[in-house]
Amino acid sequence: TQLLEQSPQFLSIQEGENLTVYCNSSSVFSSLQWYRQEPGEGPVLLVTVVTGGEVKKLKRLTFQFGDARKDSSLHITAAQPGDTGLYLCAGARGDYKLSFGAGTTVTVRA
Amino acid sequence: NAGVTQTPKFRVLKTGQSMTLLCAQDMNHEYMYWYRQDPGMGLRLIHYSVGEGTTAKGEVPDGYNVSRLKKQNFLLGLESAAPSQTSVYFCASSSWTSNGNEQFFGPGTRLTVL
Repeated sequence: TQLLEQSPQFLSIQEGENLTVYCNSSSVFSSLQWYRQEPGEGPVLLVTVVTGGEVKKLKRLTFQFGDARKDSSLHITAAQPGDTGLYLCAGARGDYKLSFGAGTTVTVRA
Repeated sequence: NAGVTQTPKFRVLKTGQSMTLLCAQDMNHEYMYWYRQDPGMGLRLIHYSVGEGTTAKGEVPDGYNVSRLKKQNFLLGLESAAPSQTSVYFCASSSWTSNGNEQFFGPGTRLTVL
């Protein structure tokens, strides 16, 4: 069983639309990270959120950490084909390890 | 600055054969990790190391061994490969920062065991 549940598993939208990906758990995390992975490559870190309720923006991407530090969301505004990829959330609980969600595959059609 | 590199990129093995995957990082990171990625299951931690000469088991360690003789290198070994070990393997490294444990990944090794 995954410690972090991501939803939806797959998301296909038209260019210009908005989308939200969710990452939920019953566990509390000291920090939560979002990675994006393109086919044939390794994951690349997008952002780390560390404070409950924190909101971070990276251009058209908005990341939010839940108040209780058990969940997070990624919102993309006006999606572009370059946003296509596998989005992974990963939680840290104060030790050396990360627990990863299963990922959300996002496809943005031109 | 190459970051994290992995060799080989692709490999096909027969059941029972052995092999070693090499990971190297040039960022002077203390921590290194080996993951496997299977469809619909995200990244699962196999083994990790918090410093030169130290290793520890992760979530799915059975059938794998690791060594970290030098700080910059982390080796993953398969002594007797099984079809269930067909997967994409990723190495990552990190150091502890104010944001915690932000990991940098290599490009992956795609392994097929026949």
